[in-house]
Amino acid sequence: GAGVSQSPSNKVTEKGKDVELRCDPISGHTALYWYRQRLGQGLEFLIYFQGNSAPDKSGLPSDRFSAERTGESVSTLTIQRTQQEDSAVYLCASSPHPGLASSEQFFGPGTRLTVL
Amino acid sequence: EDQVTQSPEALRLQEGESSSLNCSYTVSGLRGLFWYRQDPGKGPEFLFTLYSAGEEKEKERLKATLTKKESFLHITAPKPEDSATYLCAVLGNFNKFYFGSGTKLNVKP
Repeated sequence: GAGVSQSPSNKVTEKGKDVELRCDPISGHTALYWYRQRLGQGLEFLIYFQGNSAPDKSGLPSDRFSAERTGESVSTLTIQRTQQEDSAVYLCASSPHPGLASSEQFFGPGTRLTVL
Repeated sequence: EDQVTQSPEALRLQEGESSSLNCSYTVSGLRGLFWYRQDPGKGPEFLFTLYSAGEEKEKERLKATLTKKESFLHITAPKPEDSATYLCAVLGNFNKFYFGSGTKLNVKP
């Protein structure tokens, strides 16, 4: 079966514009995660969905960031009024296991966002 | 402050030269420590999860160990295809993941 897919693979936008990033997890995976990876840095945990619910949104960097998930499937990460510091690779992962401490997360290839 | 530190930042080995990568953490309430491999331009690939001090896991040439303060990823007789960035992550209290910045491993034939 297909792995985690993300779209677009690359996005270049102008400062102040809104962007929407999409993640299609592996079918049947109940848990979905969003991360941000700045150049040369480790992954930064943003948010976690169990089903369609995100129990804790405090990892989102600012109120310009929002995320939703529908149908226990596709998820979108929206960044409003983008800033240059938002430039990064945004990674999505899914897991068949319901708990955060469960082991294996399957990552997508990421969306590279560049804000000019 | 909760954080994960990986060392060294970069490591160059000759094929067959065994070594270890370190991941030290100061995260309260360890609920799991994860090792991933990341190739350029790709998402991380899961390797291991460790849950308690003293636990060890092995996969091919890799072996991960865990103490109360750090984890080691031992690479035995590495091959060029083991070249990648190895990431360590810790799940602590309050449902937060903390990632280190990775060790970039280069294995030369």
